[in-house]
Amino acid sequence: GPKVLQIPSHQIIDMGQMVTLNCDPVSNHLYFYWYKQILGQQMEFLVNFYNGKVMEKSKLFKDQFSVERPDGSYFTLKIQPTALEDSAVYFCASSLTGDEQYFGPGTRLTVL
Amino acid sequence: GEQVEQLPSILRVQEGSSASINCSYEDSASNYFPWYKQEPGENPKLIIDIRSNMERKQIQELIVLLDKKAKRFSLHITDTQPGDSAMYFCAASYASSSFSKLVFGQGTSLSVVP
Repeated sequence: GPKVLQIPSHQIIDMGQMVTLNCDPVSNHLYFYWYKQILGQQMEFLVNFYNGKVMEKSKLFKDQFSVERPDGSYFTLKIQPTALEDSAVYFCASSLTGDEQYFGPGTRLTVL
Repeated sequence: GEQVEQLPSILRVQEGSSASINCSYEDSASNYFPWYKQEPGENPKLIIDIRSNMERKQIQELIVLLDKKAKRFSLHITDTQPGDSAMYFCAASYASSSFSKLVFGQGTSLSVVP
């Protein structure tokens, strides 16, 4: 199936520092998403992004979070500053139509 | 509401038998219901989905049923194999205008034993 790539696969960072998670979505897809998954739990929606804009964000998408996709390159999630509770696996997903979403392999973020 | 409830949380079946996972949703406006399979350390993979204009869909050994009136949908895996062992997540789409998000159930850990 369609492949979404994420870089890095793991990131360990000290609390208070900034981190940027990178997603390379499927090339012709138009809708982009970030989800957060804590170990053993389900994925939870953070934000969706279309046509260069955030369309909807959840209450998990704190003020310290931001997303962008400059010039059609990586779709990024930036957390600045990080907090201990940000430790989780972050999945990027992309979709052509806004329905079928294809997930990347995730970035495991550990905040110390 | 936006919750999706999924049961059971743990399911253990004998190889060759069927496995069934049930989900319910709250928002009658939901119109797209995918199922994802996630193996340890891997990304969730879309295995089958159903839209609200259908009641039943089958892809090989996977069958999904949708009851819109009851706001329930289910996944049935027939003739299970050890390779079917994984976490399974149901989801329902919630659309504000045309920008949908997926709300996931809590997951079912399926073990298929020989």
